[in-house]
Amino acid sequence: GAGVSQSPSNKVTEKGKDVELRCDPISGHTALYWYRQSLGQGLEFLIYFQGNSAPDKSGLPSDRFSAERTGGSVSTLTIQRTQQEDSAVYLCASSRLATSTDTQYFGPGTRLTVL
Amino acid sequence: QQPVQSPQAVILREGEDAVINCSSSKALYSVHWYRQKHGEAPVFLMILLKGGEQKGHEKISASFNEKKQQSSLYLTASQLSYSGTYFCGTEMAGYSSASKIIFGSGTRLSIRP
Repeated sequence: GAGVSQSPSNKVTEKGKDVELRCDPISGHTALYWYRQSLGQGLEFLIYFQGNSAPDKSGLPSDRFSAERTGGSVSTLTIQRTQQEDSAVYLCASSRLATSTDTQYFGPGTRLTVL
Repeated sequence: QQPVQSPQAVILREGEDAVINCSSSKALYSVHWYRQKHGEAPVFLMILLKGGEQKGHEKISASFNEKKQQSSLYLTASQLSYSGTYFCGTEMAGYSSASKIIFGSGTRLSIRP
């Protein structure tokens, strides 16, 4: 596609439920990143996929968070047993090269609200 | 490890200049600058590598002082379209893997006509 797309754009869920957030990176981009942005805050790194290598999960806040990237393209971020503090905008970004000096293109984000 | 941005917020009149700073306590390999408008995704501005380079695009430029582990973003003759929150992202020196960028908490820039 022309840019990074994410779905859903908004998700409201009840505390304790599981949610899945989807990211479609730009076609051909090797690297994919997930960030979380709480209201009025900066970008918090969650996880990074580089091609077929094992992902860098060092930013995941707890074991309730997991992510996978199938076929080197689409990625899904799963949050199990959601808590109210999980409420945030979840941003996905991709870059053509798996180097830190390559531009990251961000998707529009998924706004998650946990009631 | 999160870089510190200053100021946290700034209000300018159209045509005025601004400087946004990004400082780290660790040796840096690269600094990234992004701008995010309200309700939108962050948009890339520029990347600077260690070596003290300076980059610019139209009236927005940036410098990277490796010794001070600091980068500054310069906005000259600001336009209304410059309004938004500016984030710097830093990568630590010495990390071999192409990995995560740690972002600062942002500087909110408001331009008044």
